Amino acid sequence: AQSVSQHNHHVILSEAASLELGCNYSYGGTVNLFWYVQYPGQHLQLLLKYFSGDPLVKGIKGFEAEFIKSKFSFNLRKPSVQWSDTAEYFCAVSNNAGNMLTFGGGTRLMVKP
Amino acid sequence: GAGVSQTPSNKVTEKGKYVELRCDPISGHTALYWYRQSLGQGPEFLIYFQGTGAADDSGLPNDRFFAVRPEGSVSTLKIQRTERGDSAVYLCASSLSTGAGANVLTFGAGSRLTVL
Repeated sequence: AQSVSQHNHHVILSEAASLELGCNYSYGGTVNLFWYVQYPGQHLQLLLKYFSGDPLVKGIKGFEAEFIKSKFSFNLRKPSVQWSDTAEYFCAVSNNAGNMLTFGGGTRLMVKP
Repeated sequence: GAGVSQTPSNKVTEKGKYVELRCDPISGHTALYWYRQSLGQGPEFLIYFQGTGAADDSGLPNDRFFAVRPEGSVSTLKIQRTERGDSAVYLCASSLSTGAGANVLTFGAGSRLTVL
């Protein structure tokens, strides 16, 4: 069975600070990796995904994530956050059959203006 | 439609009552998923459909929960004899297909269920 851990439950940053949210997964086979974001009052939206190829993935709104297979990690980064990045961020993994996403517990990010 | 539509957006019911939650996926999406998100937690898988059939229902917590998708489009999640612990946001998602490299889910806004 696959599992996902997000170690930071709450993160508070000032605008222009750099962001890194941790994500570690547990699964022995080939995985697909995702970050979803949920802005206040909105539904879950895909931020970025990794299936194969370049382990550094660029997403929307200046976000990126790096897949490090040896560490079973897929951390999310952004060099300079904005107040509008305030949201909850979920890391998720699916196996190569792709029929079920397993989510982490989420990280709630608050960016102070 | 343009997105995944879920109704009702909010449902308040009493313990022991029966509840139905509806999901209308993106047109043409063959795969449909139900997740449950409790307060402060990530979405938890319940069931997914490929077409009309439930391809994996391993996430349904017990036999009070059931879901159908009779025509391969709209799906209904049914909860019998509701309990206070069933209170959560029930999320529906759809995708074009399952299989390697194709599992990108589009989520609806969810149905918030409160059992008093």
